[in-house]
Parts: sequence; C-alpha cells; structure tokens
Amino acid sequence: AQKVTQAQTEISVVEKEDVTLDCVYETRDTTYYLFWYKQPPSGELVFLIRRNSFDEQNEISGRYSWNFQKSTSSFNFTITASQVVDSAVYFCALSGMNTGFQKLVFGTGTRLLVSP
Amino acid sequence: GAGVSQTPSNKVTEKGKYVELRCDPISGHTALYWYRQSLGQGPEFLIYFQGTGAADDSGLPNDRFFAVRPEGSVSTLKIQRTERGDSAVYLCASSFMSPGGTGELFFGEGSRLTVL
Repeated sequence: AQKVTQAQTEISVVEKEDVTLDCVYETRDTTYYLFWYKQPPSGELVFLIRRNSFDEQNEISGRYSWNFQKSTSSFNFTITASQVVDSAVYFCALSGMNTGFQKLVFGTGTRLLVSP
Repeated sequence: GAGVSQTPSNKVTEKGKYVELRCDPISGHTALYWYRQSLGQGPEFLIYFQGTGAADDSGLPNDRFFAVRPEGSVSTLKIQRTERGDSAVYLCASSFMSPGGTGELFFGEGSRLTVL
C-alpha cells in the first residue's frame, strides 16, 4: 500500500521567515514519483514539482527548494523568505508503478499561514 | 479560458437525488482524472480516462458513481441516489500523457457538492 504522511496540520510564520513542510511516504514500489501541489483559497491545485525515485538530487526553484532523501523516505519542501502570497494548503503526493503512475495518493496537506 | 473547466462550481441537492458534474479538460490533453476531496483531507483518486475509455476506475466508491467521456474530451461524473456522505469537492484534472511517464496534472477549481 502507498501512504503519504504530512504530520504538520498547520504552520504559521511571519513574512520573510523560512519554513519547511515535511512529507514522509511509504511505498513498496522501486519506481515511483513524488509531487508537491499548492492549493490556494480558490481551490485549484497547482503543480509545483515532480521527482522520480531515481533522482535524489535536490532542486531549487527561486525561493522554493526540495530535499529528497530515500534513506528516510522523505521529500521535504522549504520556502525561503516566505511571502503572504505563499499562504495556501500544500499537498505532497506519491504515485508508483504497481498501483499505476496515473493514480496519485495525496497526504492530508499542511496549511501555511504567512502573516505580514 | 485555457485551463480545466468544471461546472457547476456549486451544487446543493437533496438526499436520494441524481447529480451530474461536468469537466472540460485542456484542449489536446488525452488523459482525464476525477478526484474527490473531503473537508480537511487530501484529494482521493476516483477514476482515470485515457481517451474515451476508463483506464482505471478502482477509486469509485460504489456503483452509484459512474463517469463517462464519450468523445475523449468532456467528461461527466454521475452520482445516483446521493447520500450525505457524498458531500465533497469533486476535482477534475487533465494531462498530456507521455508514453511511459506521468504527465503533470492540471486541476480545475472543483465542483462543491452538498447533499442535504
């Protein structure tokens, strides 16, 4: 079975603080994909990143960075110098070869509140 | 617009009624997905279409739920004899499937269903 755990239900920070959102996953697949999505108040999920299980290289995109560690089954997301516009619910998700790459399993999400 | 369009955005119905939710994917996207998101939860997979056929319907909760995509574009999710537990936001997504890979999913804003 596949499972994604986002233990942080809600995080509150003040603008310009750095914040890390945790994601821990479980899968028996050797080939799988990990994702992060952002869900602003409008409700539309916005794709942020996809990482395959063979690529453990960390990635940075502007203020966003991701730390993938297979040894701890984690795929954490860091926002540097947070801004009010970063306020949203962030979901980590997983898809694997055995259950079908098209079927994403989502965590319960972390609500990020960035105050001015 | 160029994004995934879902109608209605809000639907209130009474227990036992029949409901149809429509999804208009991004033009040219061959894959279409339905997810369901209950309050405070992450999206849960319902069904995935590749072209006109349902490639994976393992997430449909029971036989009251059915989805079609007759011409490989617009899809309709149909719920018979609605129950209060069906209340949720129904999200549609589409992607341009690359063979052997998992394309980025583009989500609509969802249809919020409330069953009284």
